[in-house]
Amino acid sequence: SQQGEEDPQALSIQEGENATMNCSYKTSINNLQWYRQNSGRGLVHLILIRSNEREKHSGRLRVTLDTSKKSSSLLITASRAADTASYFCAAPTGGGNKLTFGTGTQLKVEL
Amino acid sequence: GAGVSQSPSNKVTEKGKDVELRCDPISGHTALYWYRQSLGQGLEFLIYFQGNSAPDKSGLPSDRFSAERTGGSVSTLTIQRTQQEDSAVYLCASSLAPGGLANEQYFGPGTRLTVT
Repeated sequence: SQQGEEDPQALSIQEGENATMNCSYKTSINNLQWYRQNSGRGLVHLILIRSNEREKHSGRLRVTLDTSKKSSSLLITASRAADTASYFCAAPTGGGNKLTFGTGTQLKVEL
Repeated sequence: GAGVSQSPSNKVTEKGKDVELRCDPISGHTALYWYRQSLGQGLEFLIYFQGNSAPDKSGLPSDRFSAERTGGSVSTLTIQRTQQEDSAVYLCASSLAPGGLANEQYFGPGTRLTVT
């Protein structure tokens, strides 16, 4: 079963605009991660936020985590066409930190 | 350094045939994971290896699926008597250590399996 549900499922914006994606999860976590996937192939790790953190930045990315609401958001500022991809949230579940992924948000950034 | 590699990149097979998918993790990574992504779906965990410990097979969908990891490095995922519903992209990932909070996983490019 999916750990995370992402919202929206698809998002289309103009280059230069900001993109916000949300993720809700079900169980307690010790960290939450965001990944990007281009063209349905390999995933690239973007950022990890620990359960005791509320906000984290990496370049044009800003991630927030609200453990009381079991939700996280990913903000991409000043989007570029190259940001077009699918974005997934994921959290380690069970022993060994195997990741359970959300359903993903397809982001399209148009010129 | 080299990332996670997978082979083949694409595999087309007939229903009922067996297939083997290979994953070469990043050197020194002790944890190795297999995931599956069906068309339009999220990623589904299949199996996880950590060192010499018994693998976590809890995600394998049926007994037609098996995997091994030889020498703590290369892993092979085998699907026997393939079915059309096995068609998906199979992704391998490795991480430096499974425990603690540093669980960044590095993914390979995946193998796209098509069962006709």
